Amino acid sequence: GIQVEQSPPDLILQEGANSTLRCNFSDSVNNLQWFHQNPWGQLINLFYIPSGTKQNGRLSATTVATERYSLLYISSSQTTDSGVYFCAVEATGGFKTIFGAGTRLFVKA
Amino acid sequence: EAGVTQFPSHSVIEKGQTVTLRCDPISGHDNLYWYRRVMGKEIKFLLHFVKESKQDESGMPNNRFLAERTGGTYSTLKVQPAELEDSGVYFCASSQEDWARWTGDTQYFGPGTRLTVL
Repeated sequence: GIQVEQSPPDLILQEGANSTLRCNFSDSVNNLQWFHQNPWGQLINLFYIPSGTKQNGRLSATTVATERYSLLYISSSQTTDSGVYFCAVEATGGFKTIFGAGTRLFVKA
Repeated sequence: EAGVTQFPSHSVIEKGQTVTLRCDPISGHDNLYWYRRVMGKEIKFLLHFVKESKQDESGMPNNRFLAERTGGTYSTLKVQPAELEDSGVYFCASSQEDWARWTGDTQYFGPGTRLTVL
């Protein structure tokens, strides 16, 4: 089945730095979603982005479906950006959705 | 160690019927979450258990949905009566207690239950 890999697994940043999180997938997908896990463990939707680029404040995401990857950019990071970021992909041809293992981000003050 | 399991993998029911989905978290995980993806839309949070208590059920769409986690182990999500718009994939995830932004565990996701309401 489709494989989803996120990198890096862990990331430590100084406040104000920029970062790029990556999500690779092994097959064609219908949709891709980025989430941020809040302090209570709930997934908060960041972007629903099967292709193209979207921006929301300091966050932006780009999915290049033909090359099977997506990038999440965090600019001018803040301590509140800390947490785990997941991507999830919906495989073509069905309802199968696969989650990546997540990237744990820690932003130091 | 077994991961998060969900049962059934696929359920097809008629409108008005009742369906119960089950999630078995990883042993020892106190946090259990339900999410769903309605066809063509993004995945959304439904609710969060800490042990047997509902920590947050703000994402439950309406009172046709009832989630339980008796004994703080497995959880069930009942839809009664099911409507056409309930079709989608329902995911469960679990994580360890005392989750913290940095030092805590990430969530582990089950394979999902695909629900089709005809």
